[in-house]
Amino acid sequence: AQRVTQPEKLLSVFKGAPVELKCNYSYSGSPELFWYVQYSRQRLQLLLRHISRESIKGFTADLNKGETSFHLKKPFAQEEDSAMYYCAPAADGLTFGKGTHLIIQP
Amino acid sequence: DGGITQSPKYLFRKEGQNVTLSCEQNLNHDAMYWYRQDPGQGLRLIYYSQIVNDFQKGDIAEGYSVSREKKESFPLTVTSAQKNPTAFYLCASSRRMGDTQYFGPGTRLTVL
Repeated sequence: AQRVTQPEKLLSVFKGAPVELKCNYSYSGSPELFWYVQYSRQRLQLLLRHISRESIKGFTADLNKGETSFHLKKPFAQEEDSAMYYCAPAADGLTFGKGTHLIIQP
Repeated sequence: DGGITQSPKYLFRKEGQNVTLSCEQNLNHDAMYWYRQDPGQGLRLIYYSQIVNDFQKGDIAEGYSVSREKKESFPLTVTSAQKNPTAFYLCASSRRMGDTQYFGPGTRLTVL
């Protein structure tokens, strides 16, 4: 079965501190990997996609095939980064992680 | 943001009634999806459609039905068989299956 795990339901860090949101997946093939974000009162939207290798809003995500992880990182958190973050591998099926609520404290 | 729309924003229904949620997109996307979002559960896939006149069950399809008669439209019917229908429902579309998904604003359904 295809599974994706985001171990932290809630992550609170101070402004300016580094942020890492964890995502582990279990897939038989090589899925396309996405991070989506939902800011308060806004639609769920794409944050970044592994294949594009872009850095969006200072976030990057490294695919580690050995550990089957796709952790999301940002070196210096900003208050506007407070949001729900979902990891989503897409292969034969479509699965979203349960999400991590990131709170950036001033 | 106007590329994919859902209506209504809020919906109230009595227990035992079927209700249909609308989802329309003008992005010319082939694939469309319905998710249910519950606190602490993330997004769970209800149904998806890769192309017009074709759709597949997702992880939690029981008590739901869909149709895809037009490329632009993918309505979801929540039937009286759905045991816990009160939830936030999200529709999404993508150029093709597995591509970046674009989400609608959602419909919050409350069954009284």
